[in-house]
Amino acid sequence: NAGVMQNPRHLVRRRGQEARLRCSPMKGHSHVYWYRQLPEEGLKFMVYLQKENIIDESGMPKERFSAEFPKEGPSILRIQQVVRGDSAAYFCASSQRGGQEPEQYFGPGTRLTVT
Amino acid sequence: GQQVMQIPQYQHVQEGEDFTTYCNSSTTLSNIQWYKQRPGGHPVFLIQLVKSGEVKKQKRLTFQFGEAKKNSSLHITATQTTDVGTYFCADQFSGGYNKLIFGAGTRLAVHP
Repeated sequence: NAGVMQNPRHLVRRRGQEARLRCSPMKGHSHVYWYRQLPEEGLKFMVYLQKENIIDESGMPKERFSAEFPKEGPSILRIQQVVRGDSAAYFCASSQRGGQEPEQYFGPGTRLTVT
Repeated sequence: GQQVMQIPQYQHVQEGEDFTTYCNSSTTLSNIQWYKQRPGGHPVFLIQLVKSGEVKKQKRLTFQFGEAKKNSSLHITATQTTDVGTYFCADQFSGGYNKLIFGAGTRLAVHP
């Protein structure tokens, strides 16, 4: 039973380019959460999606960031016109149900470096 | 907004010593979850505490939830080199889904 998958694991982008981060949840999971972790810091919630719906995007910067979770395929976190401050590890987590069940299963993360 | 403070930021111990990390909030915490992240790795769920005053044990790890649900702690007895990593507490959003508000974490280094 494959866990949460994220790709790419490492991504280097120049300032002004676009970054696309992909997250495939565990089989049977239809709820995805995205978190950002700056170096030496804790994880910060960005967005919570169910299939085809954004439920909570209160942690997403208003500009340049967007997220989707289509009916088919992985969830995508898109960062347009990246800046150096976007350099971070981006983790997604999935769960089977939308309630407060205890476990979230985190993917290995995408380490984004903006040069 | 909701904030979770965690101390200490770093802790260096000799193998065999005990270790404790503390999590505090000025507001009542909903449910507390604890995660471990190895260097270069991803957070791995350890446990969830729900009830006021709850104490749970996992081998050498003891987790506590304060009576007022404003603090929590993780205590490791007789640390081993495999305990190295960053330990995070996270408050679970009370709005009915599993959005987590993380503390900044405590990085544990264990010297053999």
